[in-house]
Amino acid sequence: AAGVIQSPRHLIKEKRETATLKCYPIPRHDTVYWYQQGPGQDPQFLISFYEKMQSDKGSIPDRFSAQQFSDYHSELNMSSLELGDSALYFCASSLAGNYGYTFGSGTRLTVV
Amino acid sequence: ILNVEQSPQSLHVQEGDSTNFTCSFPSSNFYALHWYRWETAKSPEALFVMTLNGDEKKKGRISATLNTKEGYSYLYIKGSQPEDSATYLCALMRGDDKIIFGKGTRLHILP
Repeated sequence: AAGVIQSPRHLIKEKRETATLKCYPIPRHDTVYWYQQGPGQDPQFLISFYEKMQSDKGSIPDRFSAQQFSDYHSELNMSSLELGDSALYFCASSLAGNYGYTFGSGTRLTVV
Repeated sequence: ILNVEQSPQSLHVQEGDSTNFTCSFPSSNFYALHWYRWETAKSPEALFVMTLNGDEKKKGRISATLNTKEGYSYLYIKGSQPEDSATYLCALMRGDDKIIFGKGTRLHILP
């Protein structure tokens, strides 16, 4: 069965650079969520989209932005990267009105 | 403020012992409660989706109960094994489709 696809799996960037993470939800899922998990930390919700519109916003820094496209994939854009942005970034997708959601395998971002 | 609270934050259990921990949530606008097993740097694994007051679900040695009127769910692990070491996360799904995560209970199984 198709899962949530995230790309790239690993990314190394230098401070002040920009990064773009991509998330491809399960087919027919209309909602995408982004999470950040720093080393040894709890996962933190960043932002979510439903039907290409932002539906909820968590602890997402102003340097980050995200959007959901017409094919329901989502991109998380991160600018002016800081060392503290090094983390595992998960996305999850769901079908609104349904139960549960499926996580991708994550993108590990390392800022050096 | 809508909050999902999990307790304890961390738990050390001897291998073979049974244990349980709690997820508390505001009971208004409840739609479903999810339990996940989460190992660091891995994607959370869905354990249970609970929707009805009084629900009891079981998966192997792990079971969960739900009380939507008082706003809590318990997760039980019987006969803990080393592979049970993980963070157990609950997430509340509200009627408006918002999902609120708890901070998790970190379970450490001692040999």
